Amino acid sequence: DAKTTQPPSMDCAEGRAANLPCNHSTISGNEYVYWYRQIHSQGPQYIIHGLKNNETNEMASLIITEDRKSSTLILPHATLRDTAVYYCIVRHFRDDKIIFGKGTRLHILP
Amino acid sequence: DAGVTQSPTHLIKTRGQQVTLRCSPISGHKSVSWYQQVLGQGPQFIFQYYEKEERGRGNFPDRFSARQFPNYSSELNVNALLLGDSALYLCASTVRTGEAYEQYFGPGTRLTVT
Repeated sequence: DAKTTQPPSMDCAEGRAANLPCNHSTISGNEYVYWYRQIHSQGPQYIIHGLKNNETNEMASLIITEDRKSSTLILPHATLRDTAVYYCIVRHFRDDKIIFGKGTRLHILP
Repeated sequence: DAGVTQSPTHLIKTRGQQVTLRCSPISGHKSVSWYQQVLGQGPQFIFQYYEKEERGRGNFPDRFSARQFPNYSSELNVNALLLGDSALYLCASTVRTGEAYEQYFGPGTRLTVT
């Protein structure tokens, strides 16, 4: 079973920051938080991952709470192309297998 | 560099038939995983292969089998197809970066069983 809880759907206005929350209260010390997204009928795309520090790359920022029980993915300037299902995943850094939940369906509104 | 490639893109089969799906990982990646995604659900893990050896198997019946070839490409076989096997089948190749493993997914094969 997935170790994360995400809202089923969210809306965000185009050009605004999209903040996608994720709860992972049972995360263990050697488990990372990963985010993937899946645009309609395509394969999932890796976005970002982190252990305990906040992370940023060209796609997004990942904010992990100090107790590591929750995190937020931030898309700083959402565009229509960011409309997708976003999956928050917790897994051991050496675990190749990904356990997906149902994710959050993000709608970007023009 | 080319990403993960899968063939065919779409496939229609009849109940009871057998199907073979193919995947080529990113060059240099030695591990391949297979996932099944039914409509409205997240992908579900089926198999993982590394260096031609099965390293993991999800909760799928024996009708599902896979193999990996010396060039690291892989095939997923499904026998005695059921209507419930209709899904998007995803292949992912894995590479180790530092201490962590990264997975890159292909576009998938859409299988429809009628």
